[in-house]
Amino acid sequence: KQEVTQIPAALSVPEGENLVLNCSFTDSAIYNLQWFRQDPGKGLTSLLLIQSSQREQTSGRLNASLDKSSGRSTLYIAASQPGDSATYLCAVRDSGGGADGLTFGKGTHLIIQP
Amino acid sequence: DAGITQSPRHKVTETGTPVTLRCHQTENHRYMYWYRQDPGHGLRLIHYSYGVKDTDKGEVSDGYSVSRSKTEDFLLTLESATSSQTSVYFCAISAVGASGTDTQYFGPGTRLTVL
Repeated sequence: KQEVTQIPAALSVPEGENLVLNCSFTDSAIYNLQWFRQDPGKGLTSLLLIQSSQREQTSGRLNASLDKSSGRSTLYIAASQPGDSATYLCAVRDSGGGADGLTFGKGTHLIIQP
Repeated sequence: DAGITQSPRHKVTETGTPVTLRCHQTENHRYMYWYRQDPGHGLRLIHYSYGVKDTDKGEVSDGYSVSRSKTEDFLLTLESATSSQTSVYFCAISAVGASGTDTQYFGPGTRLTVL
């Protein structure tokens, strides 16, 4: 059974810092990996998706990397801003795609101090 | 938001009563999912559907049933609600995203409280 772990569970940093969120998964036979953002009381917003054949994806100040063989992904946030404060979730889709649901980590709660 | 709506958005009910949550999508997506989100557990898959009348169980399906009689609607039913089913329920669809591969998009969620 796939298990996804996110470290740290919570992180508080001053504005302007670059930071890294970590995600690990136990079964490397994944179809893709997705990073989401969730604001309090809200739904999930997809940030980046990395296919199993890719090493990284970038969107603005966000960069996600994937090392499938070691079961790890990182989300790099450059020049953090208070508006980046949210919970960040990592989720994997197991090999086969199709109807497969996602297996989620428990998230990293991020606070950016002004 | 991939055209996903959920209703109701909030519901309070009593133990033992039946509850049905509705997920509606407007873009004819084939795959639909129900997840629940609980503190300390993250999001977990309850049931999913791969077409009209085609559904299957996820990780935490006990106590839940689903139905999909139309492409656009995926219903989640709690036959007899229990306090352990107090949670936030999210519906999702799978669609080809900007990356060119299947991406899951989520609805706004339904907060259910069972007293």
